[in-house]
This record gives sequence, C-alpha cells and structure tokens, in this order.
Amino acid sequence: AQKVTQAQTEISVVEKEDVTLDCVYETRDTTYYLFWYKQPPSGELVFLIRRNSFDEQNEISGRYSWNFQKSTSSFNFTITASQVVDSAVYFCALRDNYGQNFVFGPGTRLSVLP
Amino acid sequence: EAGVAQSPRYKIIEKRQSVAFWCNPISGHATLYWYQQILGQGPKLLIQFQNNGVVDDSQLPKDRFSAERLKGVDSTLKIQPAKLEDSAVYLCASSRLIPIRAETQYFGPGTRLLVL
Repeated sequence: AQKVTQAQTEISVVEKEDVTLDCVYETRDTTYYLFWYKQPPSGELVFLIRRNSFDEQNEISGRYSWNFQKSTSSFNFTITASQVVDSAVYFCALRDNYGQNFVFGPGTRLSVLP
Repeated sequence: EAGVAQSPRYKIIEKRQSVAFWCNPISGHATLYWYQQILGQGPKLLIQFQNNGVVDDSQLPKDRFSAERLKGVDSTLKIQPAKLEDSAVYLCASSRLIPIRAETQYFGPGTRLLVL
C-alpha cells in the first residue's frame, strides 16, 4: 500500500528565514508521481509541483525548491526567504502510474511570522 | 479558464438527514475526483470518474455515499443518511486527460459539511 509521511505537524518561522518541509513516501511501484500542494486558509488546494519517479533532478521555481531522493524515498520542499503569504498547510502526495491510488500526507502547517 | 466550481460552500444538517454536493469541473477535463478532508488531515480520495464511468471507488462508503457523473461533465455526491463523522470538507478536483501519467489535478474550493 502507498503511504506518505509528513513528520512535521507544525512549523513556525520568522519572515525571511528558510524552511524545509519533509516528505517521506512508501510505494512498491517503480513508476510513480509525487506532488506538493498548498492549502491556504481559504481552503482551496493549489498545485505546486509534480515529479515522476524517473526524474531525480532537483527543481527550483523562484523561492521554492524541491529535493527528490529516491534512495531515501524523500521529496522535501524548501522555501527560501519565507514570507507571511507562505503561511498555509502544505501537503505532499503520491500517485501510481495508472492515475490511481492518490494518497495525501497529513500535511504540515507552516506559520510565517512577520 | 474558469476553475472547478462547487456548491454549496457550506452546509449544516442533522444526523440521519440527506445531503448532496455539486461539482462542475474545468471545461474539457475528462477526469473528476471527490475527496473527503477531515479537519487536520490530508484529503482522502472517495471516488474517481473518467468521463461518466467510475475508475476507482474503493474508499467510498457505499452504504451511505453515492456519486454520479451524468453526461461526463457535472457530478453530484450524496450522503444518505449522514453521520456525525461525515463532518468534513468535500473537495472536487478535475484533470485534463484520462489519468495515465498522473495528470495534475485542479481543486475546487470545497463544501464544508457539519453534521449535528
């Protein structure tokens, strides 16, 4: 069975600090997809990134970066120079190659204080 | 491009009553999903449609929950009768193609249900 663990329930940082959100996954599939979503207080889930299991290149998008390490089954998310608007719950998710078994982690609540 | 629409945004009912939620996906999106998100938890997939057929409903409590997607566009999720533990946010999502290669899902704002 597929499983996603986000060990950090809540994180608080002061604005401009860097913060890393951890994600560890379990799957028996050789081909799978990993996602990060942001859920601001408004409640709507916002897609941030999708990564397939064959692409271990790290990715950077503005202040966001993702570190995918298959050897440790981790897909960590770093926000550089955090801002108050980054305050939200962040979910890591895992999906199989057939577009099924979409499993979300429990989420990490990030609070960025001014 | 308009996003995923859901209604109502909020609903309060008493246990044993029935309730229905509506979802209109992004135009042209073949796949539609319903999720249940209990407070403090990640979303849990309830059912997935490809056009008007069910792809995965393994986590749908079929004794009380039902869903349909007539004509492969809009979808309705129903709970009958509701229980206290059904209190949650019900999220609808859609994706562009049939779900090979895990196409990105786009989520609606959700319907917040409170069962008293």
